[in-house]
Amino acid sequence: DIQMTQSPSSLSASVGDRVTITCRASQGISNSLAWYQQKPGKVPNLLIYGASTLQSGVPSRFSGSGSGTDFTLTINNLQPEDVATYYCQKYYSAPRTFGQGTKVEIK
Amino acid sequence: QVQLQQWGAGLLKPSETLSLTCAVFSGSFSGFNWTWIRQPPGKGLEWIGEINDSGKTNYSPSLKSRVTISVDTSKNHFSLKLSSVTAADTAIYYCAKLGVIGTEYWGQGTLVTVSS
Repeated sequence: DIQMTQSPSSLSASVGDRVTITCRASQGISNSLAWYQQKPGKVPNLLIYGASTLQSGVPSRFSGSGSGTDFTLTINNLQPEDVATYYCQKYYSAPRTFGQGTKVEIK
Repeated sequence: QVQLQQWGAGLLKPSETLSLTCAVFSGSFSGFNWTWIRQPPGKGLEWIGEINDSGKTNYSPSLKSRVTISVDTSKNHFSLKLSSVTAADTAIYYCAKLGVIGTEYWGQGTLVTVSS
């Protein structure tokens, strides 16, 4: 089965910073990669699908890139409301594995 | 707008069977995979398994021996059973809809605690 590895597991950045989170698949998954944001105590929310397509309503400071095995979620101009844990997920075929998550905090 | 509403027992003893049901409101029930995901307290998301409207299932390899997911298309419901639970199965359990763009809709989550 394909494993999904995220890094870092946590990060702390200042408001206005650019933040980058990576997700690596143990085998190629084309662009069938989604990113989710989970705020404390809340249900996860789909941010990006197809590795780079922003879900409706998601602020444009979020972007995704990558294909094959290496993917990136970038948050430009980090805002206090972006404090959350971010997860990647391969979704084209089962098992639809999640990465272990990256917790983003504000310095 | 699809809505998922889930329910089931929140407190179990070790060796009992976890049972949760999820109802789907609005939108089509056909043509999608209906999924269960869990999250132990303070930890990450774990995909448990899924079923489509034809009853075809896929399960996590690590849970496959204990998991059964079923569907009742007449009620737009799908259900999860996890047998022989232990404290390690304590988690928030989510039902969700997997579409072509990923896991787009989620239930509200049910905290299931396993304790003697």
